[in-house]
Amino acid sequence: AQRVTQPEKLLSVFKGAPVELKCNYSYSGSPELFWYVQYSRQRLQLLLRHISRESIKGFTADLNKGETSFHLKKPFAQEEDSAMYYCALRGPGDQGGKLIFGQGTELSVKP
Amino acid sequence: GAGVSQSPSNKVTEKGKDVELRCDPISGHTALYWYRQRLGQGLEFLIYFQGNSAPDKSGLPSDRFSAERTGESVSTLTIQRTQQEDSAVYLCASSERSTSYTFGSGTRLTVV
Repeated sequence: AQRVTQPEKLLSVFKGAPVELKCNYSYSGSPELFWYVQYSRQRLQLLLRHISRESIKGFTADLNKGETSFHLKKPFAQEEDSAMYYCALRGPGDQGGKLIFGQGTELSVKP
Repeated sequence: GAGVSQSPSNKVTEKGKDVELRCDPISGHTALYWYRQRLGQGLEFLIYFQGNSAPDKSGLPSDRFSAERTGESVSTLTIQRTQQEDSAVYLCASSERSTSYTFGSGTRLTVV
C-alpha cells in the first residue's frame, strides 16, 4: 500500500541551527516525491519536488530509494521557516494521479 | 481565475443536515482533487477528477459523501446527514496533467 510517514509531529529548533524533517514512504515502484508547506494563514503550496533537484528557500531534499526516504534539510533555519510541512507521494501513471500525504510536521524556529 | 477558489470559507451546520461545498479550479486545469484535513491530522484524499474519465472515488469515507464536476470546471462536494466527525477543513486542488497541485484556501466545516 502507498503510505507516507512523517515521524515527528513537532520539530523545534533555534534560529541558525540545521534542520531535518524526516519523511519515509512505502511504494512498490518509482514514485514522485514532493514537499508542501503551509505558512500561518496561507494556502498549502509546493516547496519542492524530487525530480527538479532544486533548492528552494535554502531547503533541499534527496530521494534515497534504498532507505525509501525523502528528508527535507536546511543548514541554517530562519524564523520565517516556521510552518507546517507535508511530504507527499504520487505514483507514476498516465494521468498524474492523486497525492498521498504524510501527517505533517510543524516546524518551529525560535529566535 | 487567478487561483483555486472555494466557497464558503466557513460553514457551521447542525448534525443531520446536508451541506454542499464548492470549488472553482484554475481555468484549463484538467485535474481536480478533494482532500479532508481533520484537526491535528494530515490530508486525507477523498476524490479525484481527471478530464472526462471516471472519477477516483476511493477515498470517500461513506456513501454520505459524493462529488460532482461539470466538465473541467466547478466541482461540488456534498455531505448528507452530517455527523460531528465530518468537522474538518475540506481542501480542493487543481492541476494540469502531471504538474504540481494548486490548492484553494479550504472550507472549514463545523458540525454542531
